[in-house]
Amino acid sequence: DAGVIQSPRHEVTEMGQEVTLRCKPISGHNSLFWYRQTMMRGLELLIYFNNNVPIDDSGMPEDRFSAKMPNASFSTLKIQPSEPRDSAVYFCASSRGPDSNQPQHFGDGTRLSIL
Amino acid sequence: AQSVSQHNHHVILSEAASLELGCNYSYGGTVNLFWYVQYPGQHLQLLLKYFSGDPLVKGIKGFEAEFIKSKFSFNLRKPSVQWSDTAEYFCAVIPTNTGKLIFGQGTTLQVKP
Repeated sequence: DAGVIQSPRHEVTEMGQEVTLRCKPISGHNSLFWYRQTMMRGLELLIYFNNNVPIDDSGMPEDRFSAKMPNASFSTLKIQPSEPRDSAVYFCASSRGPDSNQPQHFGDGTRLSIL
Repeated sequence: AQSVSQHNHHVILSEAASLELGCNYSYGGTVNLFWYVQYPGQHLQLLLKYFSGDPLVKGIKGFEAEFIKSKFSFNLRKPSVQWSDTAEYFCAVIPTNTGKLIFGQGTTLQVKP
């Protein structure tokens, strides 16, 4: 079975540009999570969806960040405008449901560098 | 605030040495516990998990972890490490009333051949 698929794997862009990260969860998984990983702050949950509905976006750092899940097989995380401090690895994860006993499966991540 | 603390940030061992990575969490209610591993350049993979029952859980690749409720701890162990165990290890907790996965800062393990 295919795992969580993220694209692009790497993104380098200049500050001020719009960045869109994409995620395809595992088929049949109803919950989707976006994380950011940095050396300073470790892994942080940004937002998660259940059945395509955003449940908790309290981890989204600023209004420059937005996430959508238009259907069960696709989600985007957008940063507009991007800033150098947004440079990080962004992971998408999915699970069968929101219950705490459902392990999350992670994608390979998008390594984002904002110049 | 709920948090997960991993005691060691960087551990260096020789092959065949025994490993124990500490993990403590701060939350008084019921939690589910996980250890994830991230090999260089790869995504996080689940090593093992604890939901209930026997507090000593066994995971993949010879890893095990023990949940000690009174100490709020979930330490990861392996009797004999291999060079291929070089990776970053993350302890994570989900309080059952929130469903949000909270990660520790991670421990980088370097195994020397």
